Amino acid sequence: QVHLVQSGAEVKKPGSSVKVSCKSSADTFRTYGFVWVRQAPGQGLEWIGGIVIAVDISTYAQKVRDRITITMDKSTGTAYMILNNLRSEDTAIYYCARVQNLGEFDSWGQGTLVTVS
Amino acid sequence: QTVVTQEPSLAVSPGGTVTLTCSSSTGAVTSNFYANWFQQRPGQAPRSLIYSTNNKHSWTPARFSGSLLGGKAVLRLSDVQPEDEAEYFCLLYYGGAQPWVFGGGTKLTV
Repeated sequence: QVHLVQSGAEVKKPGSSVKVSCKSSADTFRTYGFVWVRQAPGQGLEWIGGIVIAVDISTYAQKVRDRITITMDKSTGTAYMILNNLRSEDTAIYYCARVQNLGEFDSWGQGTLVTVS
Repeated sequence: QTVVTQEPSLAVSPGGTVTLTCSSSTGAVTSNFYANWFQQRPGQAPRSLIYSTNNKHSWTPARFSGSLLGGKAVLRLSDVQPEDEAEYFCLLYYGGAQPWVFGGGTKLTV
């Protein structure tokens, strides 16, 4: 099973930015893409964006579209999620997940708690 | 706005069978929705169980199965074990600018 290791917890002020990393143990040529999912305290899962590696195209949820950037460093197999202009409602655990082929989610990172306060 | 609906909660006895469903506000769920199912135990990251409607990962217990039934994606658990108590989320693919939408999750009590 592919392992995804995310960066550590962050505490941020409202209006600031956060950058979360997700390093994969798998070669990127065997990966279709990565998605980012967040979970607010006591809530369900919310897809917030993803990247398709072969074409380097990112798509984002409408809710965060004007504040989020997802990138991929193919040389290190690391995906990044940057969220700008943070608000209290962005407080959540942020997960990355690997997509091996379209429709095939397999591995998940351990999650990164982002607290905006 | 597209809404994916799951039962909020279900209960099953150990050794029993339970069916969780996942429906779309846009109409019938088909194989083109690439339904994925995830299990999340309290305090843990989600774990992938089923992809593209009915495909299992190497780590997915045999008692879990996915299918389509009555226009919905379905996750069936047979011979339920105490460790199956968790929340289960489905995920459907819509393509376009916002391709993936999660269901609200089903909390399964064993």
